[in-house]
Amino acid sequence: GAGVSQSPSNKVTEKGKDVELRCDPISGHTALYWYRQRLGQGLEFLIYFQGNSAPDKSGLPSDRFSAERTGESVSTLTIQRTQQEDSAVYLCASSLAGSGGYTFGSGTRLTVV
Amino acid sequence: RKEVEQDPGPFNVPEGATVAFNCTYSNSASQSFFWYRQDCRKEPKLLMSVYSSGNEDGRFTAQLNRASQYISLLIRDSKLSDSATYLCVVKMRGSTLGRLYFGRGTQLTVWP
Repeated sequence: GAGVSQSPSNKVTEKGKDVELRCDPISGHTALYWYRQRLGQGLEFLIYFQGNSAPDKSGLPSDRFSAERTGESVSTLTIQRTQQEDSAVYLCASSLAGSGGYTFGSGTRLTVV
Repeated sequence: RKEVEQDPGPFNVPEGATVAFNCTYSNSASQSFFWYRQDCRKEPKLLMSVYSSGNEDGRFTAQLNRASQYISLLIRDSKLSDSATYLCVVKMRGSTLGRLYFGRGTQLTVWP
């Protein structure tokens, strides 16, 4: 598509529920990234996919967080047993391999109540 | 120590002012450098890349000092629409090829 698409744009969930966030990158972009941004805070790296290489999961904050991507297509970020501290905007970005410029999606605003 | 450090500000300047933001990075193997802009409650967007020789895009000038591991962004003739958070961003060589490291951002408010 023309840009990075994320869904849902907003999600309110009860503490303890699982949520799944979706990212549809720009067609042809082999690199895909997930970041988290809490209110008033900077971007926190979560995970990075590059083509068929093993993903860099070093930023995932706990084993409740997982992400998948099949080939160079859609990625899903799953948060199990959500906690209130998981409330944040989850941003997905994609880029061409080796290029520096990311294109971000507009994010999913997650609120855990 | 964080990979990328920025003065968080806020910087409050009148229209027409010149303002400069600085950023330092810790990894000397850093490969590429960028400034992103993030408007309130919006996603970050690439403002400009930073080249070793320095580069200019209209009212914006970016400079890189590899020896001091220092990046700067200069905005001339500030406009109200320049109000945003400016993120210093670094790409490093190594096992996480392609991953970008973001500073926490410098907040700028331009007032009339």
